[in-house]
Amino acid sequence: KQEVTQIPAALSVPEGENLVLNCSFTDSAIYNLQWFRQDPGKGLTSLLLIQSSQREQTSGRLNASLDKSSGRSTLYIAASQPGDSATYLCAFYTSGTYKYIFGTGTRLKVLA
Amino acid sequence: EPEVTQTPSHQVTQMGQEVILRCVPISNHLYFYWYRQILGQKVEFLVSFYNNEISEKSEIFDDQFSVERPDGSNFTLKIRSTKLEDSAMYFCASTGTGVKSEQYFGPGTRLTVT
Repeated sequence: KQEVTQIPAALSVPEGENLVLNCSFTDSAIYNLQWFRQDPGKGLTSLLLIQSSQREQTSGRLNASLDKSSGRSTLYIAASQPGDSATYLCAFYTSGTYKYIFGTGTRLKVLA
Repeated sequence: EPEVTQTPSHQVTQMGQEVILRCVPISNHLYFYWYRQILGQKVEFLVSFYNNEISEKSEIFDDQFSVERPDGSNFTLKIRSTKLEDSAMYFCASTGTGVKSEQYFGPGTRLTVT
């Protein structure tokens, strides 16, 4: 059974810090991986999509990397801001399936 | 920018009643999904749908659940006889031409079963 673990489960940092969120998965037959942001009681906002042939993607202050051999993806947030406070989710497809498997999420709070 | 929309935003129903959750995927998308998230838990896959049939479904998606694309624009999830444990946020998603391209999620419908 595929498992996706996100560490840490919760994180509280002062404004301006650079931070790294981790996503670990057990199935290396990953097809793509997507990072999402979820605000409390709200839907999922797509942040970055990494195809299996790619190693990283960047959008503004966000950078996501993918290492299939080690079963890890990281989301790097530069110069964090209070508006970055949210839950961050990773999710991926594996070959032969038609569904995303979601991680447990990291709840981020950036303090002003 | 195109977006996935869902109605209603909040549905309250009594146990045993039927509910239909509605979604309008992005217009040129071909693959459609339903996920749910019980409060405080992770997002779980329910069902994927392509070419007017189910591609894959989870163990959660039992005979009480059904999906339909009745008119080429709406995509619906029906729960025939709701249970208390069906209370959750239900998300619709769609992807474009490639089944494993980026998924776009709707804002969700919060279902409360009393």
